[in-house]
Amino acid sequence: AQSVAQPEDQVNVAEGNPLTVKCTYSVSGNPYLFWYVQYPNRGLQFLLKYITGDNLVKGSYGFEAEFNKSQTSFHLKKPSALVSDSALYFCAVRDSYSSASKIIFGSGTRLSIRP
Amino acid sequence: SQTIHQWPATLVQPVGSPLSLECTVEGTSNPNLYWYRQAAGRGLQLLFYSVGIGQISSEVPQNLSASRPQDRQFILSSKKLLLSDSGFYLCAWSLQLFGTGETQYFGPGTRLLVL
Repeated sequence: AQSVAQPEDQVNVAEGNPLTVKCTYSVSGNPYLFWYVQYPNRGLQFLLKYITGDNLVKGSYGFEAEFNKSQTSFHLKKPSALVSDSALYFCAVRDSYSSASKIIFGSGTRLSIRP
Repeated sequence: SQTIHQWPATLVQPVGSPLSLECTVEGTSNPNLYWYRQAAGRGLQLLFYSVGIGQISSEVPQNLSASRPQDRQFILSSKKLLLSDSGFYLCAWSLQLFGTGETQYFGPGTRLLVL
């Protein structure tokens, strides 16, 4: 069975500081990992994904995520936060062994960047 | 390029009334299609997904149903709405490309309020 956990409901960061949003996962096979962002009253926007290869994945809006197989983690990072980064962030996983065409989403982490 | 549409954007319905939400995708063929519900601005609950016309997989037993009458059309329905059906309904699509993780792309959502 596949699962994903976002241990923090909320992350607060000052503008200009680095940010990290945590994600851990559990799969039977190899993981396909995703990060999405949601602004108020909008659909989810795809940020980045890890399929295979380089453990550091770069995505939209200056975000990046690091795949760590030993810690089963895929934390989202940005070197310098912007107020406009304030939003709800979702981590998601799909097990490569799964025949079903679906991914599992975490519960979401609300990121708040203060000026 | 591909686009995904949902309508209506907002809907207020009385308890016991029927429901029909529509989702269409443009610019691609034979997509996987998904319906999610998001309650209280947090986690996503997968309701239904479809890998082809007339093929519907239900994830959660409830008073909702889904249909896929055309390749790029996905409809969410109910014969009698409950108060608990209130929420933000999101449609998503992905390409059926084995081994790529099948990134999902989301529509703008429909906010449903059942009174």
